[in-house]
Amino acid sequence: GAVVSQHPSWVICKSGTSVKIECRSLDFQATTMFWYRQFPKQSLMLMATSNEGSKATYEQGVEKDKFLINHASLTLSTLTVTSAHPEDSSFYICSARDGGSPYVEQYFGPGTRLTVT
Amino acid sequence: QKEVEQNSGPLSVPEGAIASLNCTYSDRVSQSFFWYRQYSGKSPELIMSIYSNGDKEDGRFTAQLNKASQYVSLLIRDSQPSDSATYLCAVQEGAQKLVFGQGTRLTINP
Repeated sequence: GAVVSQHPSWVICKSGTSVKIECRSLDFQATTMFWYRQFPKQSLMLMATSNEGSKATYEQGVEKDKFLINHASLTLSTLTVTSAHPEDSSFYICSARDGGSPYVEQYFGPGTRLTVT
Repeated sequence: QKEVEQNSGPLSVPEGAIASLNCTYSDRVSQSFFWYRQYSGKSPELIMSIYSNGDKEDGRFTAQLNKASQYVSLLIRDSQPSDSATYLCAVQEGAQKLVFGQGTRLTINP
């Protein structure tokens, strides 16, 4: 149980274009999903918390107009990196919390490696 | 933001020995604590959760929590080369966020 998928697993795009990453909970309803970014040899950095049917809550320093998050259903959240630049190249990982669980553990997707050329 | 501190390592342990990973946290009201394992190039995988003081055992893994000392640890018995990874300590902040430590890189030497 508690499987989270992400698509695509890796993507290369040109500077100035936009990229959409999907995060799906496969066997549970995720009322809350989280988007993280991880640079090489660094820990996870929370970008935003996404609640189904409402606007995402962004962490300080994260540009909400650049990183668009949509959580339209209990099993799907998307992150769109708009006007991507080389400095946006990173490992983007989503996680989900099981809405039916009283606990707050998060289950991670496999991640999306973004390279902007 | 609340802090979670881990020794970044690397921590080298011979195969078959016990690996001990430690974590301290700053938020006294935190109630939920987790250990995640992350292999190089992969995303984190939940291996242990602990919510009350004391020990919690799951196979070769034991999590230990001491809320008074704001300390949580993970013991790995009979360490295997496949246990070589970065171990992330995570502490609940607020209603549902997790704060992660920097991670401890563990190497099990055959």
